[in-house]
Amino acid sequence: AQSVTQPDIHITVSEGASLELRCNYSYGATPYLFWYVQSPGQGLQLLLKYFSGDTLVQGIKGFEAEFKRSQSSFNLRKPSVHWSDAAEYFCAVGRNAGNMLTFGGGTRLMVKP
Amino acid sequence: DVKVTQSSRYLVKRTGEKVFLECVQDMDHENMFWYRQDPGLGLRLIYFSYDVKMKEKGDIPEGYSVSREKKERFSLILESASTNQTSMYLCASSLFSGAQETQYFGPGTRLLVL
Repeated sequence: AQSVTQPDIHITVSEGASLELRCNYSYGATPYLFWYVQSPGQGLQLLLKYFSGDTLVQGIKGFEAEFKRSQSSFNLRKPSVHWSDAAEYFCAVGRNAGNMLTFGGGTRLMVKP
Repeated sequence: DVKVTQSSRYLVKRTGEKVFLECVQDMDHENMFWYRQDPGLGLRLIYFSYDVKMKEKGDIPEGYSVSREKKERFSLILESASTNQTSMYLCASSLFSGAQETQYFGPGTRLLVL
């Protein structure tokens, strides 16, 4: 069965610092991978997704993620964090059957001024 | 822009009550989903629907049912609410079935069962 692990429950970074959020997945076939962000009081918004091709994927708001098959990872990065990036981030893997997603437990990002 | 709306942002219900959570999408999407979100557990799929009157169980369907009478509307029903159903409920939709399809989420309904 597929699973997604986000090892860091909370992360605090200073504004302007770089960011990396970790995501590890377990899935037998070629994975379809997603990062979503949930700002306070909001639903989830797609940041980026990977399903084939270049393993470095660019997303919205200056985020990127790199798919590493050998490490079963899909880490999210941003070179310089802004205070508005404070939110909860979810990694997910898409299952082939019916467009279902399996989500990780989420990482809550706090940004220090 | 895709818009997914949920009928209530906050609900307080008593144990044993029948609860309806409503979700509407305005982009003619084929698929609709109901998730519950709990701290540390992320989002877990309750039910999804790929067409009107069609439904499939997700990972945690026990204690829930769904209804999709019209393409744009997907309802989640708690037949007899229990305190362990206190949670945030999120509705989502996607244009087609396919593992690479993007899901679009509503703002969520925070349900408290007393």
